[in-house]
Amino acid sequence: GAVVSQHPSWVICKSGTSVKIECRSLDFQATTMFWYRQFPKQSLMLMATSNEGSKATYEQGVEKDKFLINHASLTLSTLTVTSAHPEDSSFYICSARDVRGDTQYFGPGTRLTVL
Amino acid sequence: AQSVTQPDIHITVSEGASLELRCNYSYGATPYLFWYVQSPGQGLQLLLKYFSGDTLVQGIKGFEAEFKRSQSSFNLRKPSVHWSDAAEYFCAVGPPNDYKLSFGAGTTVTVRA
Repeated sequence: GAVVSQHPSWVICKSGTSVKIECRSLDFQATTMFWYRQFPKQSLMLMATSNEGSKATYEQGVEKDKFLINHASLTLSTLTVTSAHPEDSSFYICSARDVRGDTQYFGPGTRLTVL
Repeated sequence: AQSVTQPDIHITVSEGASLELRCNYSYGATPYLFWYVQSPGQGLQLLLKYFSGDTLVQGIKGFEAEFKRSQSSFNLRKPSVHWSDAAEYFCAVGPPNDYKLSFGAGTTVTVRA
């Protein structure tokens, strides 16, 4: 099946720093990628939809200036958490939609801990 | 607006017993429906999906799900669970041709020997 990777798998940073998370579709092209956030023992909450070559669409309540998304190519989207604070600590998961089909494939997630 | 309800937060089953996870959705028409499984610290793996056609859908790992329009349900079943099926299961719904999914709260499955 299709594979989506995320890097890094986990990151610890100091409050006030910025962290970049990469999401790559390894064996297919993805015009659309999605970024989710998952708190412990909770479901996934969609943060934004990322379309290759255009601006991301953010869900209500998600600060676009804090969570910068860049979808520079058909296989790569990045999420940058700017000026991270402890409340940004979470599990961030991306997914990618295969242009040939109707299925989203999910990455393994990135655990962000802000001290 | 679309929404998903998974009524069972936690289910414990014996290995070899059958399993059924409930999912109810709210949507104006027939949505796309999905079941995903998540192991601890991992991303989500697609078990199966329903777009249209036969309402009984077969998935990977011996799972199946049945779409019942009259009940707005998409319950997941497995006839005989294995210890490796212990995980978190998420039901998700999305509008046709729009891939913004809404997820249920998840059901944790524990398998006892």
